[in-house]
Amino acid sequence: GDSVTQMEGPVTLSEEAFLTINCTYTATGYPSLFWYVQYPGEGLQLLLKATKADDKGSNKGFEATYRKETTSFHLEKGSVQVSDSAVYFCALPNSGYSTLTFGKGTMLLVSP
Amino acid sequence: DTGVSQNPRHKITKRGQNVTFRCDPISEHNRLYWYRQTLGQGPEFLTYFQNEAQLEKSRLLSDRFSAERPKGSFSTLEIQRTEQGDSAMYLCASSSQGSGTEAFFGQGTRLTVV
Repeated sequence: GDSVTQMEGPVTLSEEAFLTINCTYTATGYPSLFWYVQYPGEGLQLLLKATKADDKGSNKGFEATYRKETTSFHLEKGSVQVSDSAVYFCALPNSGYSTLTFGKGTMLLVSP
Repeated sequence: DTGVSQNPRHKITKRGQNVTFRCDPISEHNRLYWYRQTLGQGPEFLTYFQNEAQLEKSRLLSDRFSAERPKGSFSTLEIQRTEQGDSAMYLCASSSQGSGTEAFFGQGTRLTVV
């Protein structure tokens, strides 16, 4: 079945460091891909998405490129802030687009 | 609208007791989803509704679990005869039909079974 694999955390960075969180997927066809973020004490929020191969999703300085050759959708940010500390989830929809399969999540801790 | 609302935020119950959670989706959304999240894991799909119809259920949803959305607005998730393994965060989300899975999530209900 469809699945998502994320790098394990926590990822600990200093403010202004470069961030990469790896995500690879297994799916039939080429579904949309998503990154969700969960800030402490809050619900999951959609961070960005890409709907087809080679698309780049971006939001709040974060980017991710849909690469079908490597079945990857890595999340990147050039300069992280303390406020980016959160748990990040990579996700893909089922074939009917009625639900999402999430990765296990990667916790990011950014220190000043 | 203030987003997806879930109540209660926390629930501690003794093993064997029944519990019920409520979710109020964003008012114009006709799709509503329930997920379960355990520590260190991503959310796992339980079930979803389109209006009042329950269209899909995961194999995770054992016979002790039941979900309803009687008028196509709020939804309830009931767990009967709770077990310690039911301890988790229960997440509700809603979306508009046609938006695929761009769902908006509530803050969740954390269940602890002692």
